[in-house]
Amino acid sequence: DVKVTQSSRYLVKRTGEKVFLECVQDMDHENMFWYRQDPGLGLRLIYFSYDVKMKEKGDIPEGYSVSREKKERFSLILESASTNQTSMYLCASKGGSLYNSPLHFGNGTRLTVT
Amino acid sequence: GQLLNQSPQSMFIQEGEDVSMNCTSSSIFNTWLWYKQDPGEGPVLLIALYKAGELTSNGRLTAQFGITRKDSFLNISASIPSDVGIYFCAGPTPNFGNEKLTFGTGTRLTIIP
Repeated sequence: DVKVTQSSRYLVKRTGEKVFLECVQDMDHENMFWYRQDPGLGLRLIYFSYDVKMKEKGDIPEGYSVSREKKERFSLILESASTNQTSMYLCASKGGSLYNSPLHFGNGTRLTVT
Repeated sequence: GQLLNQSPQSMFIQEGEDVSMNCTSSSIFNTWLWYKQDPGEGPVLLIALYKAGELTSNGRLTAQFGITRKDSFLNISASIPSDVGIYFCAGPTPNFGNEKLTFGTGTRLTIIP
């Protein structure tokens, strides 16, 4: 079974703090993704990576950056957390194309910025 | 605006009832995917549709790829408590190849005891 592990289930941070959300997958997948989930808005893509050290902006990259130094690990960074970044963050990975490989999600990190 | 809109946003039903939900877009999609998110977990793929008009079943779930390629439908027959969760449609983001998915706004299903 593919396992995508997000390091924290719940995080509470203060406005202005630098925040790291970590994600690790164990299936040697090339593609990794960070989404945020908000009620009524569904899942929105923040950043994705299709290879080590490669990254692409998603639909809402502002206020975020990412790091992919190793194939199995994809980190989401909030350089200076703000209250509007309070949300559920979901990491996902995928090998191959959409036609033969679904997205595998972690269980999410619920971040609260106060 | 949201590329994929799901309706209804939430549903409250009794166990045993059938459920219907849909997903619409102003853009054409060549693939439709339906994911389910159980409480406290990440979404999991339920059904994939690859051709306009296609009807695919997975147990009590049936999904259809709309003829216009701008919509998709998911039906659940004889709902049971474990059907509770949020259902998302998704498809490859138009003009972005096959590796980036756009997700819908979600339909939250609650079963009233």
